[in-house]
Amino acid sequence: AQSVAQPEDQVNVAEGNPLTVKCTYSVSGNPYLFWYVQYPNRGLQFLLKYITGDNLVKGSYGFEAEFNKSQTSFHLKKPSALVSDSALYFCAVRDDGNAGKSTFGDGTTLTVKP
Amino acid sequence: DAMVIQNPRYQVTQFGKPVTLSCSQTLNHNVMYWYQQKSSQAPKLLFHYYDKDFNNEADTPDNFQSRRPNTSFCFLDIRSPGLGDAAMYLCATSRGFTDTQYFGPGTRLTVL
Repeated sequence: AQSVAQPEDQVNVAEGNPLTVKCTYSVSGNPYLFWYVQYPNRGLQFLLKYITGDNLVKGSYGFEAEFNKSQTSFHLKKPSALVSDSALYFCAVRDDGNAGKSTFGDGTTLTVKP
Repeated sequence: DAMVIQNPRYQVTQFGKPVTLSCSQTLNHNVMYWYQQKSSQAPKLLFHYYDKDFNNEADTPDNFQSRRPNTSFCFLDIRSPGLGDAAMYLCATSRGFTDTQYFGPGTRLTVL
């Protein structure tokens, strides 16, 4: 079985400050990990993924995430937040032995205040 | 250029009146997915196709059906919509199961 947890429903940061959106996962095999962003009344947009290799993954719009196997985490980070980063963020995991199905977290609403 | 297109963007139907949502892709991806998303919750996978191979999630109601007549198109049919089926319906595609999913803009379904 696979699962993913986003422990924070809401994250608030000031513009220009660093941001972190947390994600932890559980899989029986090797994890494939993804971050998506969703703006109101839109579909999900891909930000970045970890499949294998370097634990630090860089993605779109200046976001990055660090894969930590021992802590089973894949937190999303950005050094300097923008107001336009305000959106709903989803972490997703797929077990390499679980063909076809990704499990999404419940989402974290990021609000960046000017 | 749009890669995953969903039509219509907004659909209003009456309780019990069948409705079909459409998804098309220009990516030539093998896998197509339908998700249901309610009130900014996690997307819930309804079913997916790998080429013509169909996989129904165990908890997807029988009221929901899907068709994939060719690589580019996939349809979601709701045979008798109930008030509880009002949601955003998201179509996504990926080259393979472990690849990035590309989402369409969604269709927001309202059931009166």
